[in-house]
Amino acid sequence: DAGVTQSPTHLIKTRGQHVTLRCSPISGHKSVSWYQQVLGQGPQFIFQYYEKEERGRGNFPDRFSARQFPNYSSELNVNALLLGDSALYLCASSFDSQETQYFGPGTRLLVL
Amino acid sequence: GIQVEQSPPDLILQEGANSTLRCNFSDSVNNLQWFHQNPWGQLINLFYIPSGTKQNGRLSATTVATERYSLLYISSSQTTDSGVYFCAVYQGGSEKLVFGKGTKLTVNP
Repeated sequence: DAGVTQSPTHLIKTRGQHVTLRCSPISGHKSVSWYQQVLGQGPQFIFQYYEKEERGRGNFPDRFSARQFPNYSSELNVNALLLGDSALYLCASSFDSQETQYFGPGTRLLVL
Repeated sequence: GIQVEQSPPDLILQEGANSTLRCNFSDSVNNLQWFHQNPWGQLINLFYIPSGTKQNGRLSATTVATERYSLLYISSSQTTDSGVYFCAVYQGGSEKLVFGKGTKLTVNP
């Protein structure tokens, strides 16, 4: 079975722009979570979705939003990009919430 | 919220050496996972270990939930073990994994 996939792998944007990141979970997994990892730190939780409903939200501004589709894939949207949004964005899937999470390869976002 | 502390922050070994990485957490947890992040950023699952001991080849992990710590043992280290090791926990009632800052392991040939 394929693992978690994310697209794109790399992205360069300028301040003020908008970005959409995509994630496809492992087949059969219904929960998708998003994390932001800045250089030298551990990943920070942004959102979790289960069966298309938001189950949890981290301490991120309203510029960050997400959704989950009927096929359990997910999008993370970030509006009005700031330099500080430059990071590795990781998607993880699990069969249910609070179960083992499996991570995708990430999307590296650079905001200039 | 829950605090997760990992030690040491950095570790440099010669190939073949053994090591122990520690993860302390400040509150009771429902789940604990150990990950290895390779130089390309991929987080690889090592163990799901809310309590007890598990082994997988040269790696083993022990979690003592009542004392709020977990240990990751790496034996006969290889250069491919290099990277950052993270532990992450779910706190009761929370849907988020809380990560420590990681231990950066460098294994020299």
